[in-house]
Amino acid sequence: NAGVTQTPKFRVLKTGQSMTLLCAQDMNHEYMYWYRQDPGMGLRLIHYSVGEGTTAKGEVPDGYNVSRLKKQNFLLGLESAAPSQTSVYFCASSPPTPGGNQPQHFGDGTRLSIL
Amino acid sequence: LAKTTQPISMDSYEGQEVNITCSHNNIATNDYITWYQQFPSQGPRFIIQGYKTKVTNEVASLFIPADRKSSTLSLPRVSLSDTAVYYCLVGERDSNYQLIWGAGTKLIIKP
Repeated sequence: NAGVTQTPKFRVLKTGQSMTLLCAQDMNHEYMYWYRQDPGMGLRLIHYSVGEGTTAKGEVPDGYNVSRLKKQNFLLGLESAAPSQTSVYFCASSPPTPGGNQPQHFGDGTRLSIL
Repeated sequence: LAKTTQPISMDSYEGQEVNITCSHNNIATNDYITWYQQFPSQGPRFIIQGYKTKVTNEVASLFIPADRKSSTLSLPRVSLSDTAVYYCLVGERDSNYQLIWGAGTKLIIKP
């Protein structure tokens, strides 16, 4: 049971380049999330999705786009990478939260450096 | 949205009970309290969640006083493998996307 899988695990980009981070979950979860974590800080929500075909902005959405074409996948795109986007990116998933104790399940992160 | 305050770091020894307290003065009626654990180079892992009084599972207990303005995560008989960062989050149970993650408490367990 893989849980939440993120690819790639590491990446170095030059300023202005674009890339897509892939998140895949095999738990049939409805909800998926993208976070970034800067050194010594907690997670900040970038975008999230409550179901296939739907996405919404989180706390820090600028400079990122997302897509949820399939229930099991949630893609995070950087159209024009900037040094300020150097961070560790975490994807998470959870069952629908209404009406139950639904913890988030996290991947192991993608370490992204923008030069 | 309720914000939380936790100690930046704590030290303890193997076999001891560790209590990490989190302050959340502006917690709302519908807010739940959730704790996660994070090891280096890994994503956070859910530990426990509660609304009031006491909750216990196989790894921890969560104590919440009547006014709910604070909560305490209790780890019984810690081992070296409990060295990690622990996050306290407050938010509506039906709304994971409104959770605010603080810097957490770095717990170091010594032999």
